[in-house]
Amino acid sequence: QSGLAQPPSVSGAPGQRVTISCTGSSSDIGAGYNVYWYQQLPGAAPKLLIYNNNNRPSGVPDRFSGSKSGASASLAITGLQAEDEADYYCQSYHSSFNSHVIFGGGTKLTVL
Amino acid sequence: QVHLVESGGGVVQPGRSLRLSCAASGFNFRTHGFHWVRQAPGKGLEWVAVIWHDGSQNYYGDSVKGRFTISRDDSKNTLYLVLDSLRVEDTAVYYCARDLGSYDLGTSYFDYWGQGTLVTVSS
Repeated sequence: QSGLAQPPSVSGAPGQRVTISCTGSSSDIGAGYNVYWYQQLPGAAPKLLIYNNNNRPSGVPDRFSGSKSGASASLAITGLQAEDEADYYCQSYHSSFNSHVIFGGGTKLTVL
Repeated sequence: QVHLVESGGGVVQPGRSLRLSCAASGFNFRTHGFHWVRQAPGKGLEWVAVIWHDGSQNYYGDSVKGRFTISRDDSKNTLYLVLDSLRVEDTAVYYCARDLGSYDLGTSYFDYWGQGTLVTVSS
């Protein structure tokens, strides 16, 4: 069983916009299951960033946004700040795997 | 304020057992399902197990099925994970996480996480 595919790393300068992709299949994202995004700062637990594809929990800046199309999803971060340097994970649900909850491999965001 | 606090991690030899706990506070524990998610050193997140809000059902990831057992004690607002027949590859930080969705509807996601507890399996 494999999870969702994410690029291992992305980078951007302060103030720039970056996107992180999350590619699934017809049995998970493409089957209509929602996508969730988590931010994990160094040494910390993951934190919910986006739920139900494009919704932000209270307290998450509007610089973070999510989108979904077909079997893929994306997280966009605008106005990059040094504090955004972290690992980002997407998560969804797979209809066939025994481990229905699936994560992407994670993307390390470096703010240059 | 929602708090989840894991405990029980440590160094254990292969083949031995360990029990992790996750103490919850600040919300109605009985109305939520919970999950355990682990993260091996330097690696990504791996889903481990889920238990229903009423404890009636639980499911496990393939890598731990038959060896780990998830349970809950609503009188103590505590979630547990018993790890049996531990292997070196079970070495990871184990997080408990509150489910704001529904596993059986395919909408599970995690709005609160504990700080994690490290399990090291080594001879």
